[in-house]
Amino acid sequence: DAKTTQPTSMDCAEGRAANLPCNHSTISGNEYVYWYRQIHSQGPQYIIHGLKNNETNEMASLIITEDRKSSTLILPHATLRDTAVYYCIVRRTYKYIFGTGTRLKVLA
Amino acid sequence: GAVVSQHPSRVICKSGTSVKIECRSLDFQATTMFWYRQFPKKSLMLMATSNEGSKATYEQGVEKDKFLINHASLTLSTLTVTSAHPEDSSFYICSALTSGSTDTQYFGPGTRLTVL
Repeated sequence: DAKTTQPTSMDCAEGRAANLPCNHSTISGNEYVYWYRQIHSQGPQYIIHGLKNNETNEMASLIITEDRKSSTLILPHATLRDTAVYYCIVRRTYKYIFGTGTRLKVLA
Repeated sequence: GAVVSQHPSRVICKSGTSVKIECRSLDFQATTMFWYRQFPKKSLMLMATSNEGSKATYEQGVEKDKFLINHASLTLSTLTVTSAHPEDSSFYICSALTSGSTDTQYFGPGTRLTVL
């Protein structure tokens, strides 16, 4: 599976959009990009995934660049409950390889 | 949909005893489940892949005789930590794989194991 690179930490003001970047420059054509988040002492929560096209659901939007070498998870109106570690995963086989993720802190 | 439960949520045991952790997919069938462990402030590390009706596949460095995995039905996988030692204390998390075009993993809430 392709390696991903994410910033270690980010802050975001409550009510503003949180944009979390992920670099996956070695991604292959059939590998999906998945995003999960983990709130302290809980299991990871699925957020969204995509292959080529941008995706949106009730939680977030996923923007994948045309060359697929990077993506951005957008939380449109961050709340304090969105404070968590966000993991970007590139999946080809069934297995996930978790990187270190981005620790997002939403500030009041 | 796609809810995964784990039991117990936390367990404390004495060194040398065995502990069993259950992982259930509540509203879907999962032929494949995964077991992870996570140390404080670290990321999740995959321990093994559990396939219904067959032997688990362990990641490199994970002792299969230490961490026994059984996937007896399409909704239940168990992880037994045998002869537990303090260094086995960790957060254990399971996930279940949905079938379909994109095969998404859904995670349980985790089990905090403390070995005294």
